Amino acid sequence: KAGVTQTPRYLIKTRGQQVTLSCSPISGHRSVSWYQQTPGQGLQFLFEYFSETQRNKGNFPGRFSGRQFSNSRSEMNVSTLELGDSALYLCASSLGGTDNEKLFFGSGTQLSVL
Amino acid sequence: GESVGLHLPTLSVQEGDNSIINCAYSNSASDYFIWYKQESGKGPQFIIDIRSNMDKRQGQRVTVLLNKTVKHLSLQIAATQPGDSAVYFCAENNYGGSQGNLIFGKGTKLSVKP
Repeated sequence: KAGVTQTPRYLIKTRGQQVTLSCSPISGHRSVSWYQQTPGQGLQFLFEYFSETQRNKGNFPGRFSGRQFSNSRSEMNVSTLELGDSALYLCASSLGGTDNEKLFFGSGTQLSVL
Repeated sequence: GESVGLHLPTLSVQEGDNSIINCAYSNSASDYFIWYKQESGKGPQFIIDIRSNMDKRQGQRVTVLLNKTVKHLSLQIAATQPGDSAVYFCAENNYGGSQGNLIFGKGTKLSVKP
């Protein structure tokens, strides 16, 4: 069974631009979560989607948004990029049926904002 | 706010020795904990999980211990191998939040000396 796939693997943008990241969950998984990882802040929760609906959201500004499609694939978008948005963006999937489930992570998209 | 923290940022062990990585959590209502391993250039990889109704759980070469009295979690790796070199994160479920919302510790870097 294929794991969580994230594209692109690396991305370089400039301040003010916007970016869209893509995530394909493990087949059969209906929940997709997004995390931002930086050396200073560690892993921080962005949001979680289940059945095309955002179920939970972390403490990030409105410039960070996401969506989920009917096939459970998800995208996240960051508008008006800032230097501080440089980070590894990780997507994780789970079955989504119960409260306590292990998350399976992709390899991430490394975003650099210049 | 509630957070998960790690006692030691770095740990260096000799190949073949046992490793113990510690984690303190502050939310006494958390009832699900996970250990992840992250190698350079990869996303976090699930190692082992434990629910709050258990004190100990064993996997292949790994054991997780949970002490709810002092809100402490530990990961023990037996016969540590060079391939175990990575950053290890503990995570707790965000009690009261929905699925896919884990709170991660800052991580401990494990270095295995041959």
